[in-house]
Amino acid sequence: ETGVTQTPRHLVMGMTNKKSLKCEQHLGHNAMYWYKQSAKKPLELMFVYNFKEQTENNSVPSRFSPECPNSSHLFLHLHTLQPEDSALYLCASSQDRVYNSPLHFGNGTRLTVT
Amino acid sequence: DQQVKQNSPSLSVQEGRISILNCDYTNSMFDYFLWYKKYPAEGPTFLISISSIKDKNEDGRFTVFLNKSAKHLSLHIVPSQPGDSAVYFCAASAYGNKLVFGAGTILRVKS
Repeated sequence: ETGVTQTPRHLVMGMTNKKSLKCEQHLGHNAMYWYKQSAKKPLELMFVYNFKEQTENNSVPSRFSPECPNSSHLFLHLHTLQPEDSALYLCASSQDRVYNSPLHFGNGTRLTVT
Repeated sequence: DQQVKQNSPSLSVQEGRISILNCDYTNSMFDYFLWYKKYPAEGPTFLISISSIKDKNEDGRFTVFLNKSAKHLSLHIVPSQPGDSAVYFCAASAYGNKLVFGAGTILRVKS
């Protein structure tokens, strides 16, 4: 399997639930990212990991908790979310943390918070 | 305050004609620009990029033009094909820092 794979593709959760999004990249990249895309808005960077170390947290609420156990895997743990957190969550990877290295995106997880 | 703006939410073009997608930016420190294409139910895919030391970069049917004085870049697709119908995102970065994306333009190529 190649590229960036995200699971699940769709997720519906209540505000009291705890769930996790998973991302796996098979490109040998060293940097991984979480982005949020809300309707008709630009992609918003949430977190950046470079060589498993978190290098950026873009003022994301603590109800979103990332985890990067190795350079190939990235998780986003969700708890006590709000309806306004409903969005498309995209994982991406790049060769390294330098942004001039193009991002490779997964197909995203469509999250609905009820 | 949006630093990267795509002012046209959508664009409709006849097959075979030229599609021109526009992007304006406000941060004069941006030195690298990219275009991504996104189909429904898929993630964005990298299309073409340009460094601020150039004013044009071409790759097959796709050409990106950069006008630094106007803080404007555009993506030209010629000839346009129905398979080009997608959402196109412009993105920019300054000195390798985080990418800033525009909100996207929906391109529809009619056959």
